[in-house]
Amino acid sequence: AQSVAQPEDQVNVAEGNPLTVKCTYSVSGNPYLFWYVQYPNRGLQFLLKYITGDNLVKGSYGFEAEFNKSQTSFHLKKPSALVSDSALYFCAVRDMSAGGYQKVTFGTGTKLQVIP
Amino acid sequence: DGGITQSPKYLFRKEGQNVTLSCEQNLNHDAMYWYRQDPGQGLRLIYYSQIVNDFQKGDIAEGYSVSREKKESFPLTVTSAQKNPTAFYLCASSSPTTGGVYEQYFGPGTRLTVT
Repeated sequence: AQSVAQPEDQVNVAEGNPLTVKCTYSVSGNPYLFWYVQYPNRGLQFLLKYITGDNLVKGSYGFEAEFNKSQTSFHLKKPSALVSDSALYFCAVRDMSAGGYQKVTFGTGTKLQVIP
Repeated sequence: DGGITQSPKYLFRKEGQNVTLSCEQNLNHDAMYWYRQDPGQGLRLIYYSQIVNDFQKGDIAEGYSVSREKKESFPLTVTSAQKNPTAFYLCASSSPTTGGVYEQYFGPGTRLTVT
């Protein structure tokens, strides 16, 4: 079964510093990976996805993610954090047990706190 | 939250009552999903539907029911059989249903409190 792990419940970073939110995955076959962001009492918003190709994926709001097959990781990064980036971040992996359907399994989420 | 509406935003019910959560999308998406979100547990899939009049159980379907009579609508009923229904419920959609890898679009959520 596919799974993702987000080892940090919370990440604190100073405004202007680079940020990293970690995600590792476990899949059989090719990994299809996503990052979503959730602001308080709101639905999730899609940030970016990895399907194949370049290991550095660029997404919305200046975020990017680095796919590393040997370390089975898909860490979310941003060169300079903003206070408005403070939110809950979810990593997700496509669940191939559902065949061609777009079913995904989500991680438990990492709360990012950007300190002014 | 573009294109997906969930109502109401907050819902309060007494224990033992069934309650139906609404989800409507105007994105012309084929697939729709219901998730439950609890603190520290991420999102867990309740039901999903790939086409009208067809739906599949997710990981935590017990105590819930759904219908998909129209492409745009995927209501979720939380029945009295659901032992711990208080949670934040999220509806999502995506398209197409097969082939390729596509992200999901989420509604704003409904926070259900059962006392």
